[in-house]
Parts: sequence; C-alpha cells; structure tokens
Amino acid sequence: NAGVTQTPKFRVLKTGQSMTLLCAQDMNHEYMYWYRQDPGMGLRLIHYSVGEGTTAKGEVPDGYNVSRLKKQNFLLGLESAAPSQTSVYFCASTPKMTDTQYFGPGTRLTVL
Amino acid sequence: AQSVTQLGSHVSVSEGALVLLRCNYSSSVPPYLFWYVQYPNQGLQLLLKYTTGATLVKGINGFEAEFKKSETSFHLTKPSAHMSDAAEYFCAVSGGSNYKLTFGKGTLLTVNP
Repeated sequence: NAGVTQTPKFRVLKTGQSMTLLCAQDMNHEYMYWYRQDPGMGLRLIHYSVGEGTTAKGEVPDGYNVSRLKKQNFLLGLESAAPSQTSVYFCASTPKMTDTQYFGPGTRLTVL
Repeated sequence: AQSVTQLGSHVSVSEGALVLLRCNYSSSVPPYLFWYVQYPNQGLQLLLKYTTGATLVKGINGFEAEFKKSETSFHLTKPSAHMSDAAEYFCAVSGGSNYKLTFGKGTLLTVNP
C-alpha cells in the first residue's frame, strides 16, 4: 500500500513551457485535491475532484487545469508556466465519508 | 466561509519545555478541526483531529488539542518538547461540502537543546 504518490519529485521549467504533475492513490478514495505551498502562505487549494470524471476550482485555480479520468489518478497541468507558479505542489486524497486528508510527498517546481 | 488563524509564525522552546501552538478558527457550520505536521522536505502528516464528541483530542507523538467552542480555538499542546518535534505545524478547518480543508499559514517550531 503506497498511499499517495506524486511524480515527478522535482522539476525545472522555463517560462512558457508546459508540464503535467501526476498524483496516484491506491486507497480507493473518492476525493482528491491539489494544493500549492508557498512560504508564509500555508497550503492553498488549486483544484479538487469529488469523483472520477469530475473536477472543481479551488482558491487559486488560474493557470492550472486538472483531469480525473481514472479514480486513482489526478493530474495537474500547467499549459504555459510562469515564474509565479514556482512552488511546492501537494496532492491529497480522502475517503468519501471522513475528512482526514492523506498527503503525497510533494513536487518542487521551479519556473525560470 | 471558513478561516484559520495561527498565532505566531515561529515558536521556539527548550527541550523538555511545554509546547503551545495556537489556532483560532472561524466557521459558519460545526467545524471539523485538524492539526498536521510537516517535517523538512516531506508531505503533511495528520497529528490529530476533532470531529464530534470529546473536546480533548489526543494525537500521535504525545500531542493533544482541546476544542473550545466559546473561544473558537483549537490549541495544540505537548507537555515536554523533544528535539524530534522540530517541524512546521498547520491547523486546518473543514465543515463545508466536499470536505475541503482551509489551512492556517503554519507555525514553525524550533526546539533548542
């Protein structure tokens, strides 16, 4: 049981490049989330999903897109990366009936 | 709407001293409250949570927190700090639809020998 995994762990992009971050969970959780963590800002919700095929915007969705084609995977895309998207990105998942969120180890993204 | 305020972005204690990390929340519905810990270069790990019932909640590593509705607080305590407690601690509140968590900005705990 690997829990929540994230790929890649580190990435450096140039401004304007695109990339996709992958989150996978093997706990059969319905809900999945993408957060970004910046110094002094805590964690801010980017997008979330309440089930396969559904996504919704969080607090800071601009510049990001997501997809949940399979229940176990939640993808976060950056179509045209900007330096303001330099951050640590965390994925989390939770079962439908409880609120405890289980977090992945994070992806550190730098946009030059 | 929900919000969380963590008082003190940095708390420093001596090894063996009491740890007190403060959290106040705002919620229009009965809240679920959480404390998460983040060790350097790692993800977040649940320390403890309050949903309903007993207002004093015990978590892992000797931490506990008390839900005080009248004060809208959920402060985290540990009687005796250990060097391994050095980490960043986040308070979070939930209670709306879709189990969205709202996090505080975090408190960095330093433990001095």
